[in-house]
Amino acid sequence: GDSVTQMEGPVTLSEEAFLTINCTYTATGYPSLFWYVQYPGEGLQLLLKATKADDKGSNKGFEATYRKETTSFHLEKGSVQVSDSAVYFCAQGGSEKLVFGKGTKLTVNP
Amino acid sequence: GAGVSQSPSNKVTEKGKDVELRCDPISGHTALYWYRQSLGQGLEFLIYFQGNSAPDKSGLPSDRFSAERTGGSVSTLTIQRTQQEDSAVYLCASSPNAGRSGGQPQHFGDGTRLSIL
Repeated sequence: GDSVTQMEGPVTLSEEAFLTINCTYTATGYPSLFWYVQYPGEGLQLLLKATKADDKGSNKGFEATYRKETTSFHLEKGSVQVSDSAVYFCAQGGSEKLVFGKGTKLTVNP
Repeated sequence: GAGVSQSPSNKVTEKGKDVELRCDPISGHTALYWYRQSLGQGLEFLIYFQGNSAPDKSGLPSDRFSAERTGGSVSTLTIQRTQQEDSAVYLCASSPNAGRSGGQPQHFGDGTRLSIL
């Protein structure tokens, strides 16, 4: 069945460090891909999305590129801030429901 | 409000009791989804509605779980004879339409934190 695998955390970085969170998926067909973020005490928010191969989603300095050949959608940010501390979820939407990865907790220290 | 609204935000109940969780989707959104978020299990799909019908109930973990949606709007998720393993955060989401139409994202509520004693 469809699945999403993302790197396990927790990830701890210093402010201004480079961030990569790996995400790969298995699916029949070509799903849409999403990154959601959950800040402490808050609900899930859409961070960015890509709907077809080679699309790049971007928001708030975060980027992810839909790579069909490697079935990946890695999340990157060049310089993280303390306010980026949150749990990040990769998800695919090949059918009506979303299939999520288990989440990666990011902590950014000043 | 403009977003997905869930109530109650927290619910503590004794094992064996029934609970009802409510979701108000974004106005005009025809698709509504329920997910469960628990430690060690991540986010699990439970059920989705297109209008008032539920084409996919495949994620409901047992027959103690049921959901309905009326008027194409509000949905309730009911758990009967609750067990301790039902403790989790139950999340509701909505989107304009279901399906792969342009990869529409789902908009989530803040969830109901359910604790079974």
